[in-house]
Amino acid sequence: SQELEQSPQSLIVQEGKNLTINCTSSKTLYGLYWYKQKYGEGLIFLMMLQKGGEEKSHEKITAKLDEKKQQSSLHITASQPSHAGIYLCGADNRGAQKLVFGQGTRLTINP
Amino acid sequence: DAGVIQSPRHEVTEMGQEVTLRCKPISGHDYLFWYRQTMMRGLELLIYFNNNVPIDDSGMPEDRFSAKMPNASFSTLKIQPSEPRDSAVYFCASSSGQGTYEQYFGPGTRLTVT
Repeated sequence: SQELEQSPQSLIVQEGKNLTINCTSSKTLYGLYWYKQKYGEGLIFLMMLQKGGEEKSHEKITAKLDEKKQQSSLHITASQPSHAGIYLCGADNRGAQKLVFGQGTRLTINP
Repeated sequence: DAGVIQSPRHEVTEMGQEVTLRCKPISGHDYLFWYRQTMMRGLELLIYFNNNVPIDDSGMPEDRFSAKMPNASFSTLKIQPSEPRDSAVYFCASSSGQGTYEQYFGPGTRLTVT
């Protein structure tokens, strides 16, 4: 079965700094989904990547998909306290609706 | 749209008791998912439905867990009897199944079994 490994598991950065979170799959990625979770709340969809080399941005968050490396990265520019939370990557098995999720990366932003 | 609605938000019960978690998916979505999240195991898919029919229940831990979806706007996850190791946050999510697999999550039910 497909497994996703996220790195780092936790990250503490100073407000205003850039950061990157990685998600590596044990199998070929057909669709990669990034979600954000705040403590005590559900997951909020950020963006989806489907094609190798695809890159999407939303506000100060950019996600890229390197299909050959079976990896995706999430980059936050000029981090803000509102970026704090747990970021999870999810992947779908082609033809199946269900997603497999990574363990998550806990992001803390220090003022 | 109200989003995915779950109830209760918090549940504290004693070991051996029956627990029922409820979910109302987004109107028009024909896929519904039940997940469990713990520190040790992360986010795990328990079961999912398509058009009210269970498609994959391979993630259901054991026979103490059961899920139903009697109609397109309601689903339940039942644990009977509950055990302390069932303590977790249970999420319900729904999706339209149109092309992408973007899922919309509810706020979750935090279950504590003492």
